[in-house]
Amino acid sequence: IVMTQSPDSLAVSLGERATINCKSSQSVLYSANNKNYLAWYQQKPGQPPKLLLYWASTRESGVPDRFSGSGSGTDFTLTISSLQADDVAVYYCQQYYGSPPGHSFGQGTKLEIK
Amino acid sequence: EVQLEESGGGLVQPGGSLRLSCAVSGFAFSSYDMNWVRQAPGKGLEWVSYISSSGGTIYYGDSVKGRFTISRDNAKNSLYLQMNSLRVEDTGVYYCARDRWAPGSPLDYWGQGTLVTVSS
Repeated sequence: IVMTQSPDSLAVSLGERATINCKSSQSVLYSANNKNYLAWYQQKPGQPPKLLLYWASTRESGVPDRFSGSGSGTDFTLTISSLQADDVAVYYCQQYYGSPPGHSFGQGTKLEIK
Repeated sequence: EVQLEESGGGLVQPGGSLRLSCAVSGFAFSSYDMNWVRQAPGKGLEWVSYISSSGGTIYYGDSVKGRFTISRDNAKNSLYLQMNSLRVEDTGVYYCARDRWAPGSPLDYWGQGTLVTVSS
């Protein structure tokens, strides 16, 4: 499964909304449990990736509620409702549906302050 | 506290070998599937390999199949990646990462990574 993110980079003003899109080459919705096997990660310079969301929209413990995820099947969106300076990072989507496990990632979206 | 710490990276010539280790603590290692994920300088994330909790199921990405071998020692709480026939394009930071649950899982904990540089 190939994951494609858009845009590659994004500049947003502090307090404004940031939206990142992710498209998978095939559906990551598992009909047996109606769950989308899609996660979002945040990576800051010099740090490992940090899990933000899984099942496309479930926030990891401790993640601020300004981060939200939506979408189903092949099209997904990560939204940061009010951008903070600490949100500057590269964001990756990842599918964990494939068998065998492939954990394929999108190419990343670099988010900066305008 | 969950901790994963990679080691074993370094500079190696093309065609050479390197063995990476990942020492874990703070969770029941033998109950979790594990992965290696790498990141070339300035590039995105690439999944490299997966091993089930028992070590009985193993998968590799196409770019490393036949050259890399993943293994684990549950008694030592350690994960390994034996890398042979290294190529320049294998250069990057290698992370070990934990599957949250059985196959079909996000990666919920990551190490800080170890840098592998393949160059003559």
